[in-house]
Amino acid sequence: GENVEQHPSTLSVQEGDSAVIKCTYSDSASNYFPWYKQELGKRPQLIIDIRSNVGEKKDQRIAVTLNKTAKHFSLHITETQPEDSAVYFCAAKAGSGGYNKLIFGAGTRLAVHP
Amino acid sequence: NAGVTQTPKFQVLKTGQSMTLQCAQDMNHNSMYWYRQDPGMGLRLIYYSASEGTTDKGEVPNGYNVSRLNKREFSLRLESAAPSQTSVYFCASSPDRGIGNNEQFFGPGTRLTVL
Repeated sequence: GENVEQHPSTLSVQEGDSAVIKCTYSDSASNYFPWYKQELGKRPQLIIDIRSNVGEKKDQRIAVTLNKTAKHFSLHITETQPEDSAVYFCAAKAGSGGYNKLIFGAGTRLAVHP
Repeated sequence: NAGVTQTPKFQVLKTGQSMTLQCAQDMNHNSMYWYRQDPGMGLRLIYYSASEGTTDKGEVPNGYNVSRLNKREFSLRLESAAPSQTSVYFCASSPDRGIGNNEQFFGPGTRLTVL
């Protein structure tokens, strides 16, 4: 089955710096890769996603890149702000079928220091 | 719209007790999911339901049962709670019809402690 590994587990940056979180997946049939942000005590919320027919996607300060050959994808946050502090989860859809069964990485705790 | 709602918010059980976690969504979504979240382990899928009347096992189904009561409601039952089931439980739903409809929307979570 699908396995998703996420690195690093913790990341500390200064406000204004960039942050990069990397994930690898095992199922070459996976075709959907979302990223979720979870603030302390809150529910996970989707911040960006990418499909396997696209190599990069941007939304303001957030971008995701996908390398299908190497089976890895990354989240890039530029000009980080204190409100970016949270736990970030990557996920991969298991298989290419219609069911949206997601396998999540273990999460990255990002701390942005003023 | 309330989105995805869950009850209760908090629950403490003794080993061997049973309980049902309730989840409902008002977005007319087809698919619903139950996850558990443990420190350092991300979100693990317990069961999911691709449509009303169907359910399938996820990564960690042992010790749980589910019911997709109708399109809106998806419940998770612990028949005989164990301390290893202490966790935060999230319900989620997604449209899942056609390309671009895969976003999963999460409920607020239920924090369960089994003593």
